[in-house]
Amino acid sequence: GQQLNQSPQSMFIQEGEDVSMNCTSSSIFNTWLWYKQDPGEGPVLLIALYKAGELTSNGRLTAQFGITRKDSFLNISASIPSDVGIYFCAGREGGDNYGQNFVFGPGTRLSVLP
Amino acid sequence: NAGVTQTPKFRVLKTGQSMTLLCAQDMNHEYMYWYRQDPGMGLRLIHYSVGEGTTAKGEVPDGYNVSRLKKQNFLLGLESAAPSQTSVYFCASSPDPGFFTDTQYFGPGTRLTVL
Repeated sequence: GQQLNQSPQSMFIQEGEDVSMNCTSSSIFNTWLWYKQDPGEGPVLLIALYKAGELTSNGRLTAQFGITRKDSFLNISASIPSDVGIYFCAGREGGDNYGQNFVFGPGTRLSVLP
Repeated sequence: NAGVTQTPKFRVLKTGQSMTLLCAQDMNHEYMYWYRQDPGMGLRLIHYSVGEGTTAKGEVPDGYNVSRLKKQNFLLGLESAAPSQTSVYFCASSPDPGFFTDTQYFGPGTRLTVL
């Protein structure tokens, strides 16, 4: 099955820095979701996007639905230690290939150094 | 609301043994899913259900069976466990994928080791 591409695979940042990560697909998507997974826990939904160009914030997190509908971006401002974890993107295909299910990216592992 | 719950949280099996993982959701969602998560592989869909009494195969269904007898429950069965089924299993649920309601919520996971 299709998987999304996420970059970077991992990143180490200093506390207080801003973070950017993205997710790309070879096909058009109708929905983009961003999740955070803490060690030993299930993924927790952070932000959901439904419209091309949409920009949505959740506290220090901001995500955007790309205009081409083939990508999405997640930004974290002023990182703190509890931001550590794995960030997953997920999307549902749209257009002529309306997807029955979500497809997931492999994740971006974020480490925050004090 | 408890959201999505999974039972058990941990389990160790011997090769050839069978077990059933239980997923329950209290959000009245139509769709339910079982995924497995392995290092470096991300989340892979095993089976899913689009409503009570329905099931369908996902990306990696071999060695697993599922049942959705009640809307709120989705069971994942391993008839004869193999070491390759050592993984973390996540259940998820979602409402009908309507506009502005297309989301998916995950349970806390079941960590299964097959010796």
